[in-house]
Amino acid sequence: EPEVTQTPSHQVTQMGQEVILRCVPISNHLYFYWYRQILGQKVEFLVSFYNNEISEKSEIFDDQFSVERPDGSNFTLKIRSTKLEDSAMYFCASSSTGGKLFFGSGTQLSVL
Amino acid sequence: DQQVKQNSPSLSVQEGRISILNCDYTNSMFDYFLWYKKYPAEGPTFLISISSIKDKNEDGRFTVFLNKSAKHLSLHIVPSQPGDSAVYFCAAVRVSGGYNKLIFGAGTRLAVHP
Repeated sequence: EPEVTQTPSHQVTQMGQEVILRCVPISNHLYFYWYRQILGQKVEFLVSFYNNEISEKSEIFDDQFSVERPDGSNFTLKIRSTKLEDSAMYFCASSSTGGKLFFGSGTQLSVL
Repeated sequence: DQQVKQNSPSLSVQEGRISILNCDYTNSMFDYFLWYKKYPAEGPTFLISISSIKDKNEDGRFTVFLNKSAKHLSLHIVPSQPGDSAVYFCAAVRVSGGYNKLIFGAGTRLAVHP
């Protein structure tokens, strides 16, 4: 079964540094998403992306966050200047039109 | 954002018995609902969904019931197996322009013991 892959599985960074989380969505999907889960909290929507632009973003997704689909396969989440509170598990997901979301296994981001 | 609530953080069930996981929502405009299962160090995995126009959907051991008047849905697992032990998330969707923004509940940790 096709799957969403995310790299790296773990990322440790210093506060104030930039990080890029990478995702390869399922190849025939058109909609891409980032979610995150802070330890002990619920899975939260960050952003959705379609046709090379953001469809919707949450209040969490401020100016420090950006997303990009640099080529035909990758979908990245960049955090420009990480804060301690950005520490979380970040999940990429993709879907076809109106379909269910398929999630990757996540990237655990630790900001020190 | 408290639009989707799972009020039971954990549930313990004996193998072979029924597991019932509950979920409440506040927004009557949701188009459909999904249940995801999550193991540690893995992403959420889709389990079963139900459209807002239906009241029941069944897939093998898993059945989801929707009570729109009560804004309540439940997931039944019969019979429960130890491999079902995981965190179960209820999610609601309002379809907008083709993409699906899922709003998750906080999750219920199910433990199925022999």
